Amino acid sequence: NAGVTQTPKFQVLKTGQSMTLQCAQDMNHEYMSWYRQDPGMGLRLIHYSVGAGITDQGEVPNGYNVSRSTTEDFPLRLLSAAPSQTSVYFCASTFLSSGLTHEQYFGPGTRLTVT
Amino acid sequence: AQSVAQPEDQVNVAEGNPLTVKCTYSVSGNPYLFWYVQYPNRGLQFLLKYITGDNLVKGSYGFEAEFNKSQTSFHLKKPSALVSDSALYFCAVRYDKIIFGKGTRLHILP
Repeated sequence: NAGVTQTPKFQVLKTGQSMTLQCAQDMNHEYMSWYRQDPGMGLRLIHYSVGAGITDQGEVPNGYNVSRSTTEDFPLRLLSAAPSQTSVYFCASTFLSSGLTHEQYFGPGTRLTVT
Repeated sequence: AQSVAQPEDQVNVAEGNPLTVKCTYSVSGNPYLFWYVQYPNRGLQFLLKYITGDNLVKGSYGFEAEFNKSQTSFHLKKPSALVSDSALYFCAVRYDKIIFGKGTRLHILP
């Protein structure tokens, strides 16, 4: 199993540009999520999904869109990049079988800089 | 609404001493609670979880955590700290979604 993969590892954008961060998992996990990590702010939830076709907002969803057309993929779209979106982005996934939550598996992260 | 708090930004402990990293939570039902660790320039690794059952949960690398429902706390503990335990520790809670605290940086002093 490759686990949770994220691409790209690094990205530099200019203000106003759009882009998509890719996330994929091969563990058949129902739950997938996106977090951003900023110094002193910990990990903040952007969006999450409990299954294909179902997404919901997290703590800091503004400026980001997600979709979940398959169980495996959960891309994060930045609509119009702003310097405040400079951060490290982590994708994570886990099982939701039988109503129990198992631990999340995290991708390696994407370091995004917006100039 | 659910929330999780880690009241200490940093904890310093001498090697060989016991350590505690604090976590409190707020959810409107029965919580699922987790601890993760992040080493420099690396992703997050799972340490332990509380779903139900015994209030004392044992996890990886000799860590354990105590669930206290009346105090809504889930403190991480280790009887004897190692220098290699120095890292960033995150507490997380799940009710409908999984959210994290701000993290506590643990420094183990030789």
